[in-house]
Amino acid sequence: KQEVTQIPAALSVPEGENLVLNCSFTDSAIYNLQWFRQDPGKGLTSLLLIQSSQREQTSGRLNASLDKSSGRSTLYIAASQPGDSATYLCAVRESNTGKLIFGQGTTLQVKP
Amino acid sequence: GAVVSQHPSWVICKSGTSVKIECRSLDFQATTMFWYRQFPKQSLMLMATSNEGSKATYEQGVEKDKFLINHASLTLSTLTVTSAHPEDSSFYICSATYGRVYEQYFGPGTRLTVT
Repeated sequence: KQEVTQIPAALSVPEGENLVLNCSFTDSAIYNLQWFRQDPGKGLTSLLLIQSSQREQTSGRLNASLDKSSGRSTLYIAASQPGDSATYLCAVRESNTGKLIFGQGTTLQVKP
Repeated sequence: GAVVSQHPSWVICKSGTSVKIECRSLDFQATTMFWYRQFPKQSLMLMATSNEGSKATYEQGVEKDKFLINHASLTLSTLTVTSAHPEDSSFYICSATYGRVYEQYFGPGTRLTVT
């Protein structure tokens, strides 16, 4: 059974810091991996999607990497801003079922 | 493009009543729709997968008679919580996809509170 774990569960940093969020998954048979942002009481915003054959994706200050063989992904946020404060969710899409399995999320607070 | 809406955005109902939540794909035809539930400070848990015109497939532990899912058209799926109880209070999020299961597009969620 696929399990997705995110570390840390919560993170508080001063504005301007670069930071890394970690995601690990137990079954490497994935179709792709996706990082989402969720603001309190809101739905999900897709940030980056990495196909299983890719190593990384970049969008603005965000960079996500994928090491499928070791079951790991990282989300790198450069020059963090207070507006980045949110919960970040990692999810993998299983190859055999197509289901999206979510991690528990990392709640980020960027202090001005 | 690929916008998914949900209605209502929040609803309060009394214990024992039923409530219907709608999920619509606004600018594409959704061959598959997914329903998730999210309890406070927890992640999203898949409840069921529905394909247009066929019965929904429920995840283990989800009562299909309690959570009725109808996917009658390529742009609309509904989730009806029957005989709701306070423990059903949660954030319900739908998502939709088309063609290959490549990327899911998520709705904004519906906050259900059962009193």
